[in-house]
Amino acid sequence: QVQLQESGPGLVNPSETLSLTCNVSGDSISSRNDYWGWIRQPPGKGLEWIGSIYYNGHTYYNPSLKSRVTISVDTSKNHFSLRLSSVTAADTAVYYCARREGNYRGYNWFDPWGQGTLVTVSS
Amino acid sequence: QLTQTPSSLSASVGDRVTITCRASQSISTHLNWYQQKPGKAPKFLMYAASSLQSGVPSRFSGSGSGTDFSLTISSLQPEDFATYYCQQSYIIPWTFGQGTKVEIK
Repeated sequence: QVQLQESGPGLVNPSETLSLTCNVSGDSISSRNDYWGWIRQPPGKGLEWIGSIYYNGHTYYNPSLKSRVTISVDTSKNHFSLRLSSVTAADTAVYYCARREGNYRGYNWFDPWGQGTLVTVSS
Repeated sequence: QLTQTPSSLSASVGDRVTITCRASQSISTHLNWYQQKPGKAPKFLMYAASSLQSGVPSRFSGSGSGTDFSLTISSLQPEDFATYYCQQSYIIPWTFGQGTKVEIK
């Protein structure tokens, strides 16, 4: 059973770079035709997809964040990472990592999810 | 863009509850549903508008295609009180509805 776990600083200064890692256990990150992604949720608000990556490094980003986002993968460590630059208070959120699973009919969904990690942007 | 209605509702155990999700353009049947409880990550319920994820109770059902979709809980159980989100997987950026909070009456 695949499990995902986010890790990284819980507090980031404004204008600096947010960095998080998602460790994948129970399966190899490169063993399936799945993408791996990041989704965030500001306190009391809804969900926003940030971006996703394939094990070969191919990425999709949300255009609203694309200029500030970098997602990378390290198959040797079975983890993938998020970097979000020039953060402001608006980037304060719970950040989730998730597998984007799919089937042969072209449908895809996010499952499973990590437990999430709260990142606060404040000086 | 996905718009869910209502944004919240109050219901009793045993009630039938329906949540709707409207897309701003056709997304065929590329619509997923998630359940989120306070302090927890979303839980995947359903894909392709009406296909239940393994292990999800059969009291949950979904329907719709194109721009109009719905999630129905046939008989609300205590563990179903949560916030529900729809999500489209047809067009990048993948987007979520704003959520519908199902509360105890």
